Amino acid sequence: EIVLTQSPGTLSLSPGERATLSCRASQSVSSSYLAWYQQKPGQAPRLLIYGASSRATGIPDRFSGSGSGTDFTLTISRLEPEDFAVYYCQQYGSSRTWTFGQGTKVEIK
Amino acid sequence: QVTLKESGPVLVKPTETLTLTCTVSGFSLSNARMGVSWIRQPPGKALEWLAHIFSNDEKSYSTSLKSRLTISKDTSKSQVVLTMTNMDPVDTATYYCARISLQYDILYYYYYMDVWGKGTTVTVSS
Repeated sequence: EIVLTQSPGTLSLSPGERATLSCRASQSVSSSYLAWYQQKPGQAPRLLIYGASSRATGIPDRFSGSGSGTDFTLTISRLEPEDFAVYYCQQYGSSRTWTFGQGTKVEIK
Repeated sequence: QVTLKESGPVLVKPTETLTLTCTVSGFSLSNARMGVSWIRQPPGKALEWLAHIFSNDEKSYSTSLKSRLTISKDTSKSQVVLTMTNMDPVDTATYYCARISLQYDILYYYYYMDVWGKGTTVTVSS
C-alpha cells in the first residue's frame, strides 16, 4: 500500500509569502490520480488540485501543483489570510484504494 | 447544486455496529462518472479513507478496516450507506462522505473527491 509523507508538518509564514508543501509517495503514483485538499478548522476538506496540477473549479491561481512519480508539490504563491489551514495530498492507487498524507499545517508566523 | 449530507447516531457503545447514511442531491448515483466515498477524521488527526462505491456497484474498502466495513447504495433514494461493526473508542471521529468524480481526456483518467458533506461526529463510549 502506498504511503504519502507530507513535509514539513508545520509551515510558519507571513501573509504575502510563498508556501511550498511537499508530498512524497513510497512508490510511484500516477499524476492523474494525485490531488490536494485544504481544510480549515471545523470544516470539511475542499478540493484544490487534481491530476497533480489542475486547479479545481473556483480555486485562485495563486495555488499551483506540480510533480510526478514520487514527488509532488503544492505551491501557494502569495499567502492570503484565508489560506492558513491544513493541506492534505491524496492518491488513488491501482488497488482501487485511496490514501491521504498526514497533512501540513500552514500557520501565521 | 450538488450536496451530500451525512446522518447517523451521535453516540454508539463499544462493540455496537455503526450505520451512517449519505444522502446526495444534485447528481445521480447512477451516473457512470461518479461515485461516493466515506472518509473519517479522528479529533486532531489526519483524514482516513474508508470505502467507496461507484454507479456499477464496484466497491472498495480500506485494507486495515475491510473486515468491519460494508458499503451499499440505494439509487432510488439517492443514498449511500456505510456500516462499521464492532465499534471501539478509537473509532471516535468525524465521518464524511464525498462525491468521487471521474474525468478523462485523450490521455488520462482523473479521479478526485470534488464535493464533500459537512461531516457527522460519532463518539464511541459506554
